Amino acid sequence: GEDVEQSLFLSVREGDSSVINCTYTDSSSTYLYWYKQEPGAGLQLLTYIFSNMDMKQDQRLTVLLNKKDKHLSLRIADTQTGDSAIYFCAESMHGGSQGNLIFGKGTKLSVKP
Amino acid sequence: NAGVTQTPKFRILKIGQSMTLQCAQDMNHNYMYWYRQDPGMGLKLIYYSVGAGITDKGEVPNGYNVSRSTTEDFPLRLELAAPSQTSVYFCASSHRDREPPNYGYTFGSGTRLTVV
Repeated sequence: GEDVEQSLFLSVREGDSSVINCTYTDSSSTYLYWYKQEPGAGLQLLTYIFSNMDMKQDQRLTVLLNKKDKHLSLRIADTQTGDSAIYFCAESMHGGSQGNLIFGKGTKLSVKP
Repeated sequence: NAGVTQTPKFRILKIGQSMTLQCAQDMNHNYMYWYRQDPGMGLKLIYYSVGAGITDKGEVPNGYNVSRSTTEDFPLRLELAAPSQTSVYFCASSHRDREPPNYGYTFGSGTRLTVV
């Protein structure tokens, strides 16, 4: 079956790095995504990684993918108070009949000044 | 601005009442989705649609109905509201390819529904 697991909470100090981890079960997933949800808002796509990549960097964001262990992580460098939000990991399957993403429960990141 | 528009933003319903949550997108996306979000439970798929006239059940469809008469609109209907339907509801849409460069979903800002 399909399942995406994340820890529910992470607390860091401003300026430190944050690492949010995710595990998934479907080895046929083609793309894996990170979404950010700020309080009272919908989800916004942060970044994605294709399953044949190991790493993707986009400014302060680094995504690491370990296909063997089905482990995905999102590293936020120099974390700011504005990064406080819930971060969702999601996987999709190429050509999946349902066409929907499978989301984790979300990790709430709290950044302390 | 292009995107997904949900109305209303907030609503309080009494048990047994009915209502329709509206969702519209102007990006010509084929796929549309309804999710509910409960604290600590992530997002659960209620219904989805791959195009006008086609809808299908997601993980938690009981108590809800949908229709997709146009590409743009995907309303969610609650017929007999129950306290268990108290939640935040998100509509989303995506391109048919669902892959980069047409990647990911575009979400609406949500409807917070309370059933008392």
